[in-house]
Amino acid sequence: EVQLVESGGGLVKPGGSVRLSCTASGFPFSYAWMTWVRQAPGKGLEWVGRIKTKTEGGTTDFAAPVKGRFSISRDDSRNTLYLQMISLKPEDTAVYYCVTDGSSSWLGFDPWGQGTLVTVSS
Amino acid sequence: QSVLTQPPSASGTPGQRVTISCSGSSSNIGSNYVYWYQQLPGTAPKLLIYRNDERPSGVPDRFSGSKSGTSASLAISGLRSEDEADYYCATWEDSLSGWVFGGGTKLTV
Repeated sequence: EVQLVESGGGLVKPGGSVRLSCTASGFPFSYAWMTWVRQAPGKGLEWVGRIKTKTEGGTTDFAAPVKGRFSISRDDSRNTLYLQMISLKPEDTAVYYCVTDGSSSWLGFDPWGQGTLVTVSS
Repeated sequence: QSVLTQPPSASGTPGQRVTISCSGSSSNIGSNYVYWYQQLPGTAPKLLIYRNDERPSGVPDRFSGSKSGTSASLAISGLRSEDEADYYCATWEDSLSGWVFGGGTKLTV
């Protein structure tokens, strides 16, 4: 069974940093593009960024609101995806979902993890 | 303000057919595939439609997608109470080099 489990969320002060993790199982993680999508409380979905496979250079892309503050990395030996967030703002408060990104074949985002909540507040 | 425009709400009665629209532009829907995601209350989103009109295995054929020009639609036939959820369209935006979502449509059955 394909499974994605996020962790690392919690309460962070404005200007602070946090690193989210996503542990994958049930599929060949090293071959998968991975994406982070967030959802502010009561709001819609927002793409955060993605990372391609190491074979493809591990290239990352980010949405404009987080570019320069967020970074994505992966440890294929641990089947784990990371989202490092710095200089956090209250508007970064959201549930952050780890998603398998089938964009290389235009297959969409599937499956999704259960999400982890990051709250940025003093 | 989302790049893709969806109606905030839609409704129908059991057995009815309902459609949800998603309007974009030439730099997103007009030149890329459209995807639809279903988010049941309190759960993570789930892929419903990919490449405009294809269904992942396990998605009932009551759900169908279509695209024409710079707009797309999700149709749900034989509406059921368990279809009550938020629905989001998504596509690649060429001008941003990133993915964009519609604002979401809350379907009430």
